[in-house]
Amino acid sequence: DAGVIQSPRHEVTEMGQEVTLRCKPISGHDYLFWYRQTMMRGLELLIYFNNNVPIDDSGMPEDRFSAKMPNASFSTLKIQPSEPRDSAVYFCASIPPLGGNTIYFGEGSWLTVV
Amino acid sequence: AQSVTQLGSHVSVSEGALVLLRCNYSSSVPPYLFWYVQYPNQGLQLLLKYTSAATLVKGINGFEAEFKKSETSFHLTKPSAHMSDAAEYFCAVGNRDDKIIFGKGTRLHILP
Repeated sequence: DAGVIQSPRHEVTEMGQEVTLRCKPISGHDYLFWYRQTMMRGLELLIYFNNNVPIDDSGMPEDRFSAKMPNASFSTLKIQPSEPRDSAVYFCASIPPLGGNTIYFGEGSWLTVV
Repeated sequence: AQSVTQLGSHVSVSEGALVLLRCNYSSSVPPYLFWYVQYPNQGLQLLLKYTSAATLVKGINGFEAEFKKSETSFHLTKPSAHMSDAAEYFCAVGNRDDKIIFGKGTRLHILP
């Protein structure tokens, strides 16, 4: 399997622009997570889905952030409008059914907002 | 609610010395516990996990961790550090029907 695939790997954008991060989980996995990693705050869980349904979005920092999972093989995390403090690495991860909660991470999307 | 505390954001050990990275957790139900490693510019990868079987769990690259319920701890150890072990290590707690929470990470430095 190709693993969790994220795009773009790197993005530099100007403040105020819309940013869309994409994730393709491993086929057959039924949980999908979005994490944000910064030096100051470490690894933060933003939102997670089970069978395409959002279960807990309490980690989403504010209304500028939104996430969708229209089907089992695709999810997006959108930031609109973006701000410099959103600069971080955003990881997508997935868990297989009956997988004992082993999370498989993508390689991350490195976002810089200038 | 679950939580994880990693003691020490940076740990330095000499090559060949014992590695000990500390993790304490809080969970209202029997937890699953994990250690993940992150090398520079990469995602996280699983080192080992505890899922209520043996309390001493062996992982990849010679690492192991011991689940101690009385101490609510899941410390990571390796008898002899290697230069290639330099990375950031994350402890995590979760269970099947709840989110997985990560600690803030411990950066391991290996001194020659």
